[in-house]
Amino acid sequence: DTEVTQTPKHLVMGMTNKKSLKCEQHMGHRAMYWYKQKAKKPPELMFVYSYEKLSINESVPSRFSPECPNSSLLNLHLHALQPEDSALYLCASSLTVPGQGSTGELFFGEGSRLTVL
Amino acid sequence: SQQGEEDPQALSIQEGENATMNCSYKTSINNLQWYRQNSGRGLVHLILIRSNEREKHSGRLRVTLDTSKKSSSLLITASRAADTASYFCATLFNSGNTPLVFGKGTRLSVIA
Repeated sequence: DTEVTQTPKHLVMGMTNKKSLKCEQHMGHRAMYWYKQKAKKPPELMFVYSYEKLSINESVPSRFSPECPNSSLLNLHLHALQPEDSALYLCASSLTVPGQGSTGELFFGEGSRLTVL
Repeated sequence: SQQGEEDPQALSIQEGENATMNCSYKTSINNLQWYRQNSGRGLVHLILIRSNEREKHSGRLRVTLDTSKKSSSLLITASRAADTASYFCATLFNSGNTPLVFGKGTRLSVIA
């Protein structure tokens, strides 16, 4: 299995809602990532989990709350979002963690398209 | 910013022509990678070139790396309509402690 699976593919939520994005990989990868991507822009790193622990938080607002329940799963909990948070949210994984001989090669899911009304 | 810069930002060519995209970066790298993204989809890894390599091929893809100029190019030969996508370069810095840094991307349109 060489896939990173993200659900849901599309999500529409109001500013007062609480929702979650989910990501799963069964490749035995030890690092998992959340990226945010706006139209015609490159992916922006949000969070990195290394060995199930949060290792990088790129100063992301607290209305985004990541969680890594186990080595295969990564969640992004969303609460009190703003319309400007509407974007494509991409999950990725890598075989090894940054700084441990990793090539850095990332395997991406297809993304969750989030619209905040 | 350590982010790479691609040029051109957008490129439109006819099917069968070659497409060349360039990427420049600012600091020493361990490797440079190219990714492809179809509209609204995830990114797909295309090819990785290490800092001690100068050229690499994969099918219709040819990547070059010039570390003295801190630049790379991606050549797609005999392009097809299905090659229409955004292409991003991404660099792994020598420290290796940080994840890949993505460039701004080139949007390629191949017209049938």
